[in-house]
Formats: sequence, structure tokens, C-alpha cells
Amino acid sequence: SQQGEEDPQALSIQEGENATMNCSYKTSINNLQWYRQNSGRGLVHLILIRSNEREKHSGRLRVTLDTSKKSSSLLITASRAADTASYFCATDARGFQKLVFGTGTRLLVSP
Amino acid sequence: DADVTQTPRNRITKTGKRIMLECSQTKGHDRMYWYRQDPGLGLRLIYYSFDVKDINKGEISDGYSVSRQAQAKFSLSLESAIPNQTALYFCATSEGTVNSPLHFGNGTRLTVT
Repeated sequence: SQQGEEDPQALSIQEGENATMNCSYKTSINNLQWYRQNSGRGLVHLILIRSNEREKHSGRLRVTLDTSKKSSSLLITASRAADTASYFCATDARGFQKLVFGTGTRLLVSP
Repeated sequence: DADVTQTPRNRITKTGKRIMLECSQTKGHDRMYWYRQDPGLGLRLIYYSFDVKDINKGEISDGYSVSRQAQAKFSLSLESAIPNQTALYFCATSEGTVNSPLHFGNGTRLTVT
């Protein structure tokens, strides 16, 4: 069963705009991670946020975590065409890397 | 991630055939995983191994088996392939410390006819 549900399922924006994706999960977690997948390729780790953290930044990425609402958001600022990909959240209940993935958000950034 | 290599990249097989997907890594990680990806369902864990002597079933292990031949090699077998095993299969590794991420191979696209 999926732990994470992401919305929207698909998002289409113009270059330069910000993209926000949301992830909701069901059970308590040790950490939540975001991954990117370019079409047909393997997933690439973007950022990890621990359960005791509320916000984390990495370059143009900003992740927030609200454990009371069991939700997280990924913000990509000043999007580029190269950001076009699917984005997945994944939860780690115990910190042992047995991740449970969400269903993903497909992001299309048009030039 | 070139440090995690999956072979083959694509495979078409017939119902009832036995097939093996292979994964090797040069990252020196103890932990290895097999996931399958289906459209609209995200990734689901099939099997995982925390070291050579430790093999564990994941969420959807029925119809699959694995072998951890060495720290660097983790193979997934379908003993008798069926059409609903058509999917994209990913191998991943992690270093095993708390809060360490997964590193994925580029996947094997399997079609069972």
C-alpha cells in the first residue's frame, strides 16, 4: 500500500515560475525524502528532511514538513525546462532506508 | 547513477519463462533493494537485503525471489513470468546509516507477453 499521496498528479508551468508539489502520508516517520525521475530513468535523491525539522533548503529547492498534518511540500523556485521530470516523496518510518514511495507528480516546465 | 548498474536494460519474455534481472554496485554499500514501478502506482518494494546474509520480503514479494551473491551483487528472479509482472524494475543501494538516501540504477524495462 502507498504511504504517500502526492498532488497534483501533474503540473504544467512556464520557465521562471515556481512549482509546488505536496505529499501526504499516513503513519509516523523518521524522515521524508524527495526524489526526481527523468523519463524512464532511475530516481535521483534531492533532499531529506528529518521528522524534527520543519523546513530545509537546497539550492532552488525548499521542503517543508508538518508532522501534525502528516504532510510535506516541495517548492522549486525559478523553474527551468531541465526541471521537467516526475517528483516522488518517500517516507522512512524508522530511518532504516526501507522507503515507501508516493505516486508522484509529473512536472512539465515549458520554455 | 552509474555506480549502480542493472542488466539488461530492456527484456521481452514470454509467459511461464524464468528470468533473472541483475544488479551490481561499486558504491560499497551493504544495503540493496529491488523495487518495481507501475504507472500511477509509484514504486513498490519487492525485496531488500541489509547484508549478504540478510534477505527480507518487501510489500510485493509473491512471484519473485532474490539472491545476494556478494556485497556488490543482488539478483531478482521471476520463476515463471506472468503478464502482470510487466513493469519497470529498479535496484537501489544505501550506505545504511540512519537517514542515508537511496541510490538507484537506471532500471530494467520488462515486458511479459
